Amino acid sequence: GQQVMQIPQYQHVQEGEDFTTYCNSSTTLSNIQWYKQRPGGHPVFLIQLVKSGEVKKQKRLTFQFGEAKKNSSLHITATQTTDVGTYFCAGLKVGGTSYGKLTFGQGTILTVHP
Amino acid sequence: EPEVTQTPSHQVTQMGQEVILRCVPISNHLYFYWYRQILGQKVEFLVSFYNNEISEKSEIFDDQFSVERPDGSNFTLKIRSTKLEDSAMYFCASSRRTLNTEAFFGQGTRLTVV
Repeated sequence: GQQVMQIPQYQHVQEGEDFTTYCNSSTTLSNIQWYKQRPGGHPVFLIQLVKSGEVKKQKRLTFQFGEAKKNSSLHITATQTTDVGTYFCAGLKVGGTSYGKLTFGQGTILTVHP
Repeated sequence: EPEVTQTPSHQVTQMGQEVILRCVPISNHLYFYWYRQILGQKVEFLVSFYNNEISEKSEIFDDQFSVERPDGSNFTLKIRSTKLEDSAMYFCASSRRTLNTEAFFGQGTRLTVV
């Protein structure tokens, strides 16, 4: 079945440093979504990428979708303590009998030291 | 802002007992999902539901699990005979469409089987 791998599992940074997490799918995706989960919280949607090679920015966050629509990355510039949490990518493959099932990566736990 | 609501927030049950987890999806959404997250692990898809029937389910969603939309607003997950390994956070999610749309997650129900 479809698998989504995400690295690294943990990332500890000093406030102000950059952070990147990478996501790779075993199959071509319809789109990829990114979620943030604060400790003890639920996944909160950040963004979705649909087009091959797409790049989107949200303030200090930059999201990329690979040309083959199998990999993606999230880059945070100049991390802040409010960025703490687990970042998940989730691949979406629609077709046949699949109605929007998200396959999540393992997540990257980001800690930011002030 | 509309949100997905789940009850209860925490459920403790004895092994072998039946539990029903309840969710109220966002009112104009058409697609409903259950996911689970074992402590410290990734979010795993259980089942998707559309047009009053299951559209897709994972290998986790065996005969012990069932879903229902009994009254047009609630969406329930029933586990018939709970096992210790069913202990997890269960998230309900809903979306307006399948493709190119975000999934809204509820706050989750923490199920503890003792």
